[in-house]
Amino acid sequence: SQQGEEDPQALSIQEGENATMNCSYKTSINNLQWYRQNSGRGLVHLILIRSNEREKHSGRLRVTLDTSKKSSSLLITASRAADTASYFCATLRGSTLGRLYFGRGTQLTVWP
Amino acid sequence: EPEVTQTPSHQVTQMGQEVILRCVPISNHLYFYWYRQILGQKVEFLVSFYNNEISEKSEIFDDQFSVERPDGSNFTLKIRSTKLEDSAMYFCASSDTTPSYNEQFFGPGTRLTVL
Repeated sequence: SQQGEEDPQALSIQEGENATMNCSYKTSINNLQWYRQNSGRGLVHLILIRSNEREKHSGRLRVTLDTSKKSSSLLITASRAADTASYFCATLRGSTLGRLYFGRGTQLTVWP
Repeated sequence: EPEVTQTPSHQVTQMGQEVILRCVPISNHLYFYWYRQILGQKVEFLVSFYNNEISEKSEIFDDQFSVERPDGSNFTLKIRSTKLEDSAMYFCASSDTTPSYNEQFFGPGTRLTVL
């Protein structure tokens, strides 16, 4: 699989539940970034985690990074209907000058 | 809060025509990027730009594509002779310091439709 593969491809939950999305990658990275995209709209930056970090928090978001397993997870706690969107991870490889490699994304649907 | 802006939001053109997509990056940012997303597919890198020159380009960014920073605020992507397969959402992004450490902020995108 290519750099930055998210799973699951689709996730459907009820409001108030937690949503966990995973991302795997193949090569060494400088950092990994998570983005949200509402249908047909732009990419909103959520959080960046550097290769020497293991966990970061931002509001209801928690991101972990395991460089030994080349994987990351995004946890959204106490989800809301407004969290319905596609979530992408994007990696910055050590050898590139800013080129981000995006995964295919997880489509999250939160039902009220 | 500062944001990246893009114009137009939607561009429809005939195959073979030239299009210019415009972006205004965040004002103190130094690194600029173009990406595209074909419907239902991944976001793909096209090109990065720093210090008035291309830093890196992908295999997609062939001779039909060019970028320019014509003044202190705009950053443009030109497609010289559009093809049907150029139909996609095009995103501009910018970051303020070395990309290894900082986020890339994306604009809302320009939806290009080639007929």
